Amino acid sequence: GESVGLHLPTLSVQEGDNSIINCAYSNSASDYFIWYKQESGKGPQFIIDIRSNMDKRQGQRVTVLLNKTVKHLSLQIAATQPGDSAVYFCAENRGDNAGNMLTFGGGTRLMVKP
Amino acid sequence: NAGVMQNPRHLVRRRGQEARLRCSPMKGHSHVYWYRQLPEEGLKFMVYLQKENIIDESGMPKERFSAEFPKEGPSILRIQQVVRGDSAAYFCASSPLGSYEQYFGPGTRLTVT
Repeated sequence: GESVGLHLPTLSVQEGDNSIINCAYSNSASDYFIWYKQESGKGPQFIIDIRSNMDKRQGQRVTVLLNKTVKHLSLQIAATQPGDSAVYFCAENRGDNAGNMLTFGGGTRLMVKP
Repeated sequence: NAGVMQNPRHLVRRRGQEARLRCSPMKGHSHVYWYRQLPEEGLKFMVYLQKENIIDESGMPKERFSAEFPKEGPSILRIQQVVRGDSAAYFCASSPLGSYEQYFGPGTRLTVT
């Protein structure tokens, strides 16, 4: 079935470096994408979102890029900090009659080395 | 402004018992979603509700699972006759009318012994 998936299950970066987390999606009808951060024992925390009519959106230290041609989504974190260590999920809204249901990818664990 | 609240945070049940998980959405949010997460996996959609109405339950197992969001009070996810495979973290999210943004609660970790 259609799903959202990730290329790398674990990403290890040095503190201060930039991090890039990737996500592939298969449903070209998806029109809304969200990145969530989940720390151990906690619920997912909204980071940033992007609609399909955009290809880039920036937040505080984070940037989301959307490439609809290859159905690829990425999250860039600038100057990664130890507090950024968590599992990151991309999620999509299929934009069909499924309403507001989100389909989540499997997650990438980001480990920041001091 | 309080976030999404879930209780209990941890729930232990023996096989065959019932589990009731509660979710209070953020103030002003009229939509509630339930997701299940197994260890080291992503979240899987279960059900989407508005007040007194189930909008989409395509992710709910056909038996033993039910959900409600009454006019007054929290949303309830009910699992009857629990089995070990029901052990997971159950997350509730809420969103305001007309928005795709979903805000998650801290989850309820269900352990079936």
